[in-house]
Amino acid sequence: DAGITQSPRHKVTETGTPVTLRCHQTENHRYMYWYRQDPGHGLRLIHYSYGVKDTDKGEVSDGYSVSRSKTEDFLLTLESATSSQTSVYFCATHEQASTDTQYFGPGTRLTVL
Amino acid sequence: GENVEQHPSTLSVQEGDSAVIKCTYSDSASNYFPWYKQELGKRPQLIIDIRSNVGEKKDQRIAVTLNKTAKHFSLHITETQPEDSAVYFCAATRGGGKLIFGQGTELSVKP
Repeated sequence: DAGITQSPRHKVTETGTPVTLRCHQTENHRYMYWYRQDPGHGLRLIHYSYGVKDTDKGEVSDGYSVSRSKTEDFLLTLESATSSQTSVYFCATHEQASTDTQYFGPGTRLTVL
Repeated sequence: GENVEQHPSTLSVQEGDSAVIKCTYSDSASNYFPWYKQELGKRPQLIIDIRSNVGEKKDQRIAVTLNKTAKHFSLHITETQPEDSAVYFCAATRGGGKLIFGQGTELSVKP
């Protein structure tokens, strides 16, 4: 499982509150990703990082921001959570651009009431 | 942008039968096509992948075929077992790691 952990694993919050999800990896992988998983939509990329302080948007980035100050940590922040952001969030990593195999974390189930 | 369509969305087979899941992609520059299996409440896990310079790849009871001309690839599972029951996702990328996933297929193998 490439030494990937996510915290918290479950969270219930209220609309309008800020939420930060953490992904931590011990493999020294350069690339890290945040996906959300919703029924009927598969996995959709929110943001990704190709190195410390280097991040870029994915296909569903509105309402989310990320930060990566260390190789091992990639944070996903919902500045003001909305009910449409209720989802399961997965972090993924891979080693380098030429190695496309991605390894996923265990996921975080977020419910926004 | 890249789009990946996956069919069927649900598939039910009898134990021992074969199962086939198909995906089509839109970006002709896509060169890597992984398949992930996700059991209920678990993380997606890679089960097999194929690169664009290969037409077919096998690993025991699973195989993947790629038709670059038609821009589609398929997952084949033979001699299905109840433990094969899960959601399967295909994905495609032109490189650099930005995977585009299909919508998923829920496979049910009935004993």
